[in-house]
Amino acid sequence: SAVISQKPSRDICQRGTSLTIQCQVDSQVTMMFWYRQQPGQSLTLIATANQGSEATYESGFVIDKFPISRPNLTFSTLTVSNMSPEDSSIYLCSVIRDLPYNEQFFGPGTRLTVL
Amino acid sequence: AQKVTQAQTEISVVEKEDVTLDCVYETRDTTYYLFWYKQPPSGELVFLIRRNSFDEQNEISGRYSWNFQKSTSSFNFTITASQVVDSAVYFCALSEQTSNTGKLIFGQGTTLQVKP
Repeated sequence: SAVISQKPSRDICQRGTSLTIQCQVDSQVTMMFWYRQQPGQSLTLIATANQGSEATYESGFVIDKFPISRPNLTFSTLTVSNMSPEDSSIYLCSVIRDLPYNEQFFGPGTRLTVL
Repeated sequence: AQKVTQAQTEISVVEKEDVTLDCVYETRDTTYYLFWYKQPPSGELVFLIRRNSFDEQNEISGRYSWNFQKSTSSFNFTITASQVVDSAVYFCALSEQTSNTGKLIFGQGTTLQVKP
């Protein structure tokens, strides 16, 4: 498995502001991802965080709204920009240590509420 | 297109009852992985099991067991002698190997409530 931490664990933000969420893993991993879980819903992949290059975004998610960085193999950030109440969700990072086994482990999540 | 369906939105049982959570998937890939995760009220997603498409053996881990049937594209999860601590949302997920992106497609989740 992998030990994954996220900061902050929760936040309440005002409309129009931005929040950066950090994801730290205890050891180097092959792949890192960011998911969103809207209230009462399932998880949806936002993007794959690529080390040293631009993230790969899923349909419906754009870099201007969700800029992502991954400067090394153990750390990534997700920014939720120009927030609106519709962005209120749990944001989770996940990692795959080794391909092709694809065991994917999740961080504790960041609960975001936008007023 | 890939898809995961968990038809049971909510299940309520009394402690010590057995309960089965259904999962049906769709994929065009011949190589893929199936997963189950547990999400307790704390919100953290807990990995339970990974199964690859070439391994149809059923698996048992304590009170948990999984039944994988490719013929019906199902990967069902059974909890035997349920306990209150089993109360959580359970997600089934699919990862296609051909694309090798690691992307997980999640079902809508089944909320399990175990009453004392």
